[in-house]
Amino acid sequence: DGGITQSPKYLFRKEGQNVTLSCEQNLNHDAMYWYRQDPGQGLRLIYYSQIVNDFQKGDIAEGYSVSREKKESFPLTVTSAQKNPTAFYLCASSITHQQGSYNSPLHFGNGTRLTVT
Amino acid sequence: GENVEQHPSTLSVQEGDSAVIKCTYSDSASNYFPWYKQELGKRPQLIIDIRSNVGEKKDQRIAVTLNKTAKHFSLHITETQPEDSAVYFCAASKPGSQGNLIFGKGTKLSVKP
Repeated sequence: DGGITQSPKYLFRKEGQNVTLSCEQNLNHDAMYWYRQDPGQGLRLIYYSQIVNDFQKGDIAEGYSVSREKKESFPLTVTSAQKNPTAFYLCASSITHQQGSYNSPLHFGNGTRLTVT
Repeated sequence: GENVEQHPSTLSVQEGDSAVIKCTYSDSASNYFPWYKQELGKRPQLIIDIRSNVGEKKDQRIAVTLNKTAKHFSLHITETQPEDSAVYFCAASKPGSQGNLIFGKGTKLSVKP
């Protein structure tokens, strides 16, 4: 839906286990992002990547890791170091503009709801 | 860094009435302000956006206004319908921020038939 596919839709894990969330896009967008959504907290940026093989930490990167080996894919790993991993995770992508110009809209995937018990 | 405040957190209106959601931002360098609508259990979708070179933008029943001096922008929905019920998020970003949008905490809009 919308060219960005997140899987699975629901994910359940035991505490202490690492888990990887998938995000694939066929929009030919250079930039990809991971956001976490908690009730009443809006969307908070975990990691983002502007180009292949490069990524930057967002506001809440602790306990998470990412990779960007292909333009189409930006998987997120929630590690056991993440203290409160239960949340709704949204992947997004966008085109990029040259520095100094306006930013462009984000296109979101349908999200993955992770529950850790 | 940028901080975006959004008010109110919940808003209930009667069908046909107007709804207004307001956001303020802290970084005067911000120049792009999108609004997203998120229905329950679904992904956020862009409904309208505005860039700092204009003060107002309309798209049918939806409009956004921007006051750069006061650093606030607002979403206006006229003739509300039950299908407008959702959570609405404002966001702001500045050039060179690599597309990093800073989001408000959202407004849950309920339109009563």
